[in-house]
Amino acid sequence: DTGVSQDPRHKITKRGQNVTFRCDPISEHNRLYWYRQTLGQGPEFLTYFQNEAQLEKSRLLSDRFSAERPKGSFSTLEIQRTEQGDSAMYLCASSLTLGADNEQFFGPGTRLTVL
Amino acid sequence: QKEVEQNSGPLSVPEGAIASLNCTYSDRVSQSFFWYRQYSGKSPELIMSIYSNGDKEDGRFTAQLNKASQYVSLLIRDSQPSDSATYLCAVEKDSSYKLIFGSGTRLLVRP
Repeated sequence: DTGVSQDPRHKITKRGQNVTFRCDPISEHNRLYWYRQTLGQGPEFLTYFQNEAQLEKSRLLSDRFSAERPKGSFSTLEIQRTEQGDSAMYLCASSLTLGADNEQFFGPGTRLTVL
Repeated sequence: QKEVEQNSGPLSVPEGAIASLNCTYSDRVSQSFFWYRQYSGKSPELIMSIYSNGDKEDGRFTAQLNKASQYVSLLIRDSQPSDSATYLCAVEKDSSYKLIFGSGTRLLVRP
């Protein structure tokens, strides 16, 4: 399967702990995006990378959140000092930029529960 | 005003009927529009993209775009119970590559 993969699929943690999620995009895709989705809402944009460069961060992404994409391949999203409000589905998507085409394909997501 | 608005539903249609899902957006400069399907507990799955005014058909799905009215819709012909899901409308903001999603419309197809 050559789709977007994410690991872990589920994470339960205690408030105050740090967590790290991984995303592997579709192999030839140069853009990688992180979104967050809570129950009953659509995904909300967090940040995106073109190759290894982080080009935009949402104001939703507090100082406790950091994302990296070393070497333009996989990406990690770290949340430090987790809070109960961080509980959500964290979605990764990737796209291949060809002209105006920006079709983004999502991975299965990582469901975070902060106790 | 939300940037992308959808009726939350549920929209209930009988099997075999046409389901019509609607979406309005506020940013007049938006150029790219997408429909995603999301089953409960799963991640969004891309159904259609549309970039120009008019209709775009793919199998049982037709996306319709009217930039003057800032309106995009998705028609599902011959609806099946397996089409029961939440349908998310997404708009690319300011050619910035990030997508702004509506809250989704829940579709129920009755056997």
